Amino acid sequence: QKEVEQDPGPLSVPEGAIVSLNCTYSNSAFQYFMWYRQYSRKGPELLMYTYSSGNKEDGRFTAQVDKSSKYISLFIRDSQPSDSATYLCAMNRDDKIIFGKGTRLHILP
Amino acid sequence: ETGVTQTPRHLVMGMTNKKSLKCEQHLGHNAMYWYKQSAKKPLELMFVYNFKEQTENNSVPSRFSPECPNSSHLFLHLHTLQPEDSALYLCASSPIMTGLTTEAFFGQGTRLTVV
Repeated sequence: QKEVEQDPGPLSVPEGAIVSLNCTYSNSAFQYFMWYRQYSRKGPELLMYTYSSGNKEDGRFTAQVDKSSKYISLFIRDSQPSDSATYLCAMNRDDKIIFGKGTRLHILP
Repeated sequence: ETGVTQTPRHLVMGMTNKKSLKCEQHLGHNAMYWYKQSAKKPLELMFVYNFKEQTENNSVPSRFSPECPNSSHLFLHLHTLQPEDSALYLCASSPIMTGLTTEAFFGQGTRLTVV
């Protein structure tokens, strides 16, 4: 079983919709949970991180962690065409950061 | 800009060439990484350096040779690559807190094409 599983998509939703992106993981030693956004021809950039179960909100973005289910989510409200990108979940273990495959998201105007 | 700079942005090289990728960060971070990103695959961790010491070599072929002369600079030396090595090579850095690595900051990447 891979340490981090993420559906690569692509996921297409209409502008204004709520987007839900998810990852599952198998290693209960992970402590920090992160979401990165990667635009075409660019490196990934950190969007949000959290280290506890529950929700963390930042503007239109909400990161959710459920450690008991080993499941993390990123919600995007009022999605915009500029949100079209690849979203990668990531989590740390010791001195490594393990990434998911990334989900390609298209917001349709 | 994230504070991590990679050069060159694009590189085309023949299978018999030798080239080097460069990464520089001025964020005061202790850890630096090389990742490979191929189409439809997750980011693959290649090498990790903590405080200039290599702590991870993720079964990377010897035709890739990293060098970390100081905590601000990281190189990836390339020699006799194969076409399947064509990918986006990303450098990242992160602070280390109490033995755990927190969030990584990435450069823009070098798009490598091996012909």
